[in-house]
Amino acid sequence: SQQGEEDPQALSIQEGENATMNCSYKTSINNLQWYRQNSGRGLVHLILIRSNEREKHSGRLRVTLDTSKKSSSLLITASRAADTASYFCATLLNTDKLIFGTGTRLQVFP
Amino acid sequence: EPEVTQTPSHQVTQMGQEVILRCVPISNHLYFYWYRQILGQKVEFLVSFYNNEISEKSEIFDDQFSVERPDGSNFTLKIRSTKLEDSAMYFCASSGLAGVYNEQFFGPGTRLTVL
Repeated sequence: SQQGEEDPQALSIQEGENATMNCSYKTSINNLQWYRQNSGRGLVHLILIRSNEREKHSGRLRVTLDTSKKSSSLLITASRAADTASYFCATLLNTDKLIFGTGTRLQVFP
Repeated sequence: EPEVTQTPSHQVTQMGQEVILRCVPISNHLYFYWYRQILGQKVEFLVSFYNNEISEKSEIFDDQFSVERPDGSNFTLKIRSTKLEDSAMYFCASSGLAGVYNEQFFGPGTRLTVL
């Protein structure tokens, strides 16, 4: 099974609602990073959380990390249509190789 | 804000041809990477590069692939003899630090189409 798996695979919400995406992984990690990808475009780094951190905020983003459950969540508050994208978690193990999850496709309707 | 740039944005080539994908990492970064994403699939690690040598490579990165930092700014990925299955989006990334502080910044990608 995969190192990084996000759920849900797809999420549709209305503008103003919160969006929560989850990521599970299988091995010990150094850090976990969340990226956004607009359709067919590049990856935009959102936030990095280290293995000794439990929660991190950046603007409307809130990331949590539970190393005992090997899971992380990304919360986007007060979502906007411009948040429509795919969101990926990526884990860093004991090398500098990022291992990406399968992604959550978020659709925010105006 | 500094960013990673990649050229070309789209490359179309015939099977068996050589292609070179180019990247300009963020200027004070020391660690460089290539990843690829086949349409509809996950982003996959290809290779990492530090201090003018490969640090790690995946099983995808076989003898057909090579990387080079020919000068102080460019970082290239060469595919010697392209196959149909090499069609993918190729992303370059760079980082200023390693390990637990390693935040990798990605370029916009080069879409490679092999016919």
